[in-house]
Amino acid sequence: NAGVTQTPKFQVLKTGQSMTLQCAQDMNHEYMSWYRQDPGMGLRLIHYSVGAGITDQGEVPNGYNVSRSTTEDFPLRLLSAAPSQTSVYFCASSLQGAGYGYTFGSGTRLTVV
Amino acid sequence: GQSLEQPSEVTAVEGAIVQINCTYQTSGFYGLSWYQQHDGGAPTFLSYNGLDGLEETGRFSSFLSRSDSYGYLLLQELQMKDSASYFCAVRDPRDDKIIFGKGTRLHILP
Repeated sequence: NAGVTQTPKFQVLKTGQSMTLQCAQDMNHEYMSWYRQDPGMGLRLIHYSVGAGITDQGEVPNGYNVSRSTTEDFPLRLLSAAPSQTSVYFCASSLQGAGYGYTFGSGTRLTVV
Repeated sequence: GQSLEQPSEVTAVEGAIVQINCTYQTSGFYGLSWYQQHDGGAPTFLSYNGLDGLEETGRFSSFLSRSDSYGYLLLQELQMKDSASYFCAVRDPRDDKIIFGKGTRLHILP
C-alpha cells in the first residue's frame, strides 16, 4: 500500500497561472479532503468528498475546484493562482464513519510569485 | 458552524506529563480526534473519543466530556521526540466536514 500520494512536492507558480495538485489513495477510502496549512492558522478545509461523484465546499473554497470521478483520485485545481494561495497543501483520506482517522499525504509546498 | 480552541503553545520538561486542552462549539458532532504533526511532516492520527471518558494508547491518553464541550490529550513520560504540534478535530454530522483547531505547539525542555 502506498497510502495517500500527493504530487508534486514543491511548486512555484506565477500569478495568474493554473495548475492541478494530484492526490491518489489505494486504501479504498470513501472520504477525501484537501486542506491548506498556513502558519498560525492550523489546517483549513478547502473541499471534500464523501464518495465518487460527490464533492462539497469546505471553509476556504474560493479559487479552487475539485472533482472525484473515481474513488482513488481527488485532484485540486487552482484556477488562477494568487500570492494568497502560497501555502502547504495536504490531501487526506479516511474510511467513512466518525471513528476513522485521516491518512494524510506528504504535502505540496506551493509558492505563488 | 464548528469552532475549536486550543492553546497555541505549551512547554514541559522531558519525563514529565503534559495536558493539551481543546474546547469546541458545535451544533452536534460525532466525537473528538487528535493528530500529531512534526515540523516539515504531515499530520498523523493519534486517537478518537466518540464517548465520554478516557481512551488510553500507550503513553498517550485522550479524554472527552460532551457536557462540558471539552477534551484533552495527555502525554506521559515525555520524550524529546514528542516535540510537535497537536491538533484536535471534530466531524460535523450535518455535512460531514472535518474541522481542525489551530494546533498547540509542544516544546519539551531537557
